[in-house]
Amino acid sequence: AQKITQTQPGMFVQEKEAVTLDCTYDTSDPSYGLFWYKQPSSGEMIFLIYQGSYDQQNATEGRYSLNFQKARKSANLVISASQLGDSAMYFCAMRENSNSGYALNFGKGTSLLVTP
Amino acid sequence: GAVVSQHPSWVICKSGTSVKIECRSLDFQATTMFWYRQFPKQSLMLMATSNEGSKATYEQGVEKDKFLINHASLTLSTLTVTSAHPEDSSFYICSARDPHNRSPRRGEQYFGPGTRLTVT
Repeated sequence: AQKITQTQPGMFVQEKEAVTLDCTYDTSDPSYGLFWYKQPSSGEMIFLIYQGSYDQQNATEGRYSLNFQKARKSANLVISASQLGDSAMYFCAMRENSNSGYALNFGKGTSLLVTP
Repeated sequence: GAVVSQHPSWVICKSGTSVKIECRSLDFQATTMFWYRQFPKQSLMLMATSNEGSKATYEQGVEKDKFLINHASLTLSTLTVTSAHPEDSSFYICSARDPHNRSPRRGEQYFGPGTRLTVT
């Protein structure tokens, strides 16, 4: 069963606008972590933001914020003031703490294109 | 931040040959490293978890005899694709976990730049 679902294969946003990338997850583990990564065409994985399952507040890192709705099991990424350099693949991932290896489960990704 | 390197960054090999990919943690000791495979326009799929000094743990469906993983030191894990075939062509990415990084807010896995394997 898919543990991380990203329903938007592709998204467009105009420069300087905000965009929300959706992510829902499925776990029975009460303790888990949620991550967002950016993957430009070069292939490197760039860590953006983290949200822990027990965190009371939504995570923010510069222009990135995470809209964490635990009851809905969603962890949407919000990018404010989009820039042309934000064009890339974006992956949502989950680490379940019951997984002693700390491996990540990734969603299928969303391709974001920022237009001038 | 922590740095993980991979070598080679790309490789082309003939069908039936073996290819070794190295993953190194440059400024920390990684007791655990992970190997992922990513087909074009698809997600990263975990292949195996590599623990220093012990056998790797493979995910379901990954042939351990085909994808040999050796984590011989705290800074090096290798993935050898044996008897490679065109269907093994993919982007292979490793990541390493720094056990002393207590804060996942800095990203608790550090990814290498990836190795693009093409089997002809």
